Amino acid sequence: EPEVTQTPSHQVTQMGQEVILRCVPISNHLYFYWYRQILGQKVEFLVSFYNNEISEKSEIFDDQFSVERPDGSNFTLKIRSTKLEDSAMYFCASSVLAGTGELFFGEGSRLTVL
Amino acid sequence: SQQGEEDPQALSIQEGENATMNCSYKTSINNLQWYRQNSGRGLVHLILIRSNEREKHSGRLRVTLDTSKKSSSLLITASRAADTASYFCATDGVGSNYKLTFGKGTLLTVNP
Repeated sequence: EPEVTQTPSHQVTQMGQEVILRCVPISNHLYFYWYRQILGQKVEFLVSFYNNEISEKSEIFDDQFSVERPDGSNFTLKIRSTKLEDSAMYFCASSVLAGTGELFFGEGSRLTVL
Repeated sequence: SQQGEEDPQALSIQEGENATMNCSYKTSINNLQWYRQNSGRGLVHLILIRSNEREKHSGRLRVTLDTSKKSSSLLITASRAADTASYFCATDGVGSNYKLTFGKGTLLTVNP
């Protein structure tokens, strides 16, 4: 069964360092998303991406964040200068339809900022 | 304002019993979805109900939607220990096609 894959599963970084989280969405999906979940809290929307551009972003997704689809398969989230409060589980998701349809989530990348 | 708030926050039942979780939301929606998350894992889509639907079934799952009360319920019948997980409702918003807003979730524990 097709699935969304994410790497790394866990990354530990120092405050101020750049981090890139990678995702391979399901191949025939057109819409891509990043969500995050701080430990014990709700899942929060970060950004959606369609047709090689951001379609919507939240207030969390500030200038420190960027997304890219560098080739036909990968979808990346970059955090330029990490802060302690960026520590969270980051989930990539993809969908055939826009966000009102079913999302398929990856297993997540746990980011720990020290 | 919070969109998609589940209650109870935690629910503990015995295997074989039914589990009911509720979700309330504040703004108009196109549809409402329920997701499941096992501890430390990704979210898995369970069921989607559109704003013009009142009830939907999928296997042991039954979802209701009351748009006048802005609420939904998820019923899991004949629960199993493997149903132990967190359950989240997620709503879109009219005018936003790309964003789902998740609630805080209900942690369901099914004791064998």
